[in-house]
Amino acid sequence: EAGVAQSPRYKIIEKRQSVAFWCNPISGHATLYWYQQILGQGPKLLIQFQNNGVVDDSQLPKDRFSAERLKGVDSTLKIQPAKLEDSAVYLCASSLGWGAGELFFGEGSRLTVL
Amino acid sequence: AQTVTQSQPEMSVQEAETVTLSCTYDTSESDYYLFWYKQPPSRQMILVIRQEAYKQQNATENRFSVNFQKAAKSFSLKISDSQLGDAAMYFCAYRGPNFGNEKLTFGTGTRLTIIP
Repeated sequence: EAGVAQSPRYKIIEKRQSVAFWCNPISGHATLYWYQQILGQGPKLLIQFQNNGVVDDSQLPKDRFSAERLKGVDSTLKIQPAKLEDSAVYLCASSLGWGAGELFFGEGSRLTVL
Repeated sequence: AQTVTQSQPEMSVQEAETVTLSCTYDTSESDYYLFWYKQPPSRQMILVIRQEAYKQQNATENRFSVNFQKAAKSFSLKISDSQLGDAAMYFCAYRGPNFGNEKLTFGTGTRLTIIP
């Protein structure tokens, strides 16, 4: 079974530029999560989708971050314009979404903002 | 809001020895789930072990076991017979009781070093 796929693995940009990350969850997983992991910290939830609807985006900085999950499968997380403090690893995870309990994570996308 | 605290930023252990990683959490719920995840340098989070709060018996997975103290809101991970491959960041995580919502709240992690 294929795991959660993410791209790109690494991205370096200048501040005020834009960047987009892509995630393809495990087939059949209804719920998709984007987490931000700043160096030395635990992952923090940015946004949670159930199929193609948003369940929780309370910690998403909406003035610069946006995310979508078209057709309830792939998802894209965008940052525009980027700030220095956005340097982090962006982790995508998916789960069945009906209480089975386990989140499956991708390898993450490391963003460096200069 | 639920919080998860890991008070040991770094731990080290001799190969083949036993090490315990600490975790405390805060919640007003009576039913919930707790997890330990491992994150090696490849960055992919891997589930190590899970514990349902309604179960009194501590979970065990091969060399990994937990000490779940519900009243104290404590959830420690014991790794027996430590191996070089156990070197990684370990995160404690909490999940609430809401059916269908598997959102996790993570602690800040403990970096485990295995000394050959």
